[in-house]
Amino acid sequence: QITLKESGPTLVKPTQTLTLTCTFSGFSLSTSGVGVGWIRQPPGKALEWLALIYWDDDKRYSPSLKSRLTITKDTSKNQVVLTMTNMDPVDTATYYCAHSPAAAENWFDPWGQGTLVTVSS
Amino acid sequence: SYVLTQPPSVSVAPGKTARITCGGNNIGSKSVHWYQQKPGQAPVLVIYYDSDRPSGIPERFSGSNSGNTATLTISRVEAGDEADYYCQVWDSSSDHREVFGGGTKLTVL
Repeated sequence: QITLKESGPTLVKPTQTLTLTCTFSGFSLSTSGVGVGWIRQPPGKALEWLALIYWDDDKRYSPSLKSRLTITKDTSKNQVVLTMTNMDPVDTATYYCAHSPAAAENWFDPWGQGTLVTVSS
Repeated sequence: SYVLTQPPSVSVAPGKTARITCGGNNIGSKSVHWYQQKPGQAPVLVIYYDSDRPSGIPERFSGSNSGNTATLTISRVEAGDEADYYCQVWDSSSDHREVFGGGTKLTVL
């Protein structure tokens, strides 16, 4: 059974850097074809993809947020970390991490429960 | 950039068939995935590779994709199907990125 769980601060101040950790079990991020992605959802709004890291350490970022995002993995700890710099109130959202079982097609299954991050001074 | 267009809302009576569309330029050439999201919950994959169902997803859920439109079809709709539904593709153009549609709220009358 694959599970993922997001952790990190629930409140950050504008201009600060957000660091979120996705801790997973039930799969290895060293297995060919596997990836972990981050997706966010502002309250009442649609899903927005942020970043994806593959088993071979290839990384993909949302073009609109690329300058602010960094995704890394620690295979030994079964963790993926997302950092987002220069946080703004518009970045208030629930942040999800999700397992991607098939590189190049990149569907997400399953997802973590999500963590709500509020950006406010 | 690639854009996926979904109707904001679809309404259907119980027992009837709901069809939720996802429009995109030549989307038929891409693999489309669909997610169901109920209030306060994380999204759940219901269709991948246009028409494949993950284990545990009822056969009432099906998908198709051709031309400029992909469609999620839910047969014999139940009250428990009321949720937001999102389509998703991988845009393999120069910037290589995931794209989600804007979501469709399915209301069971």
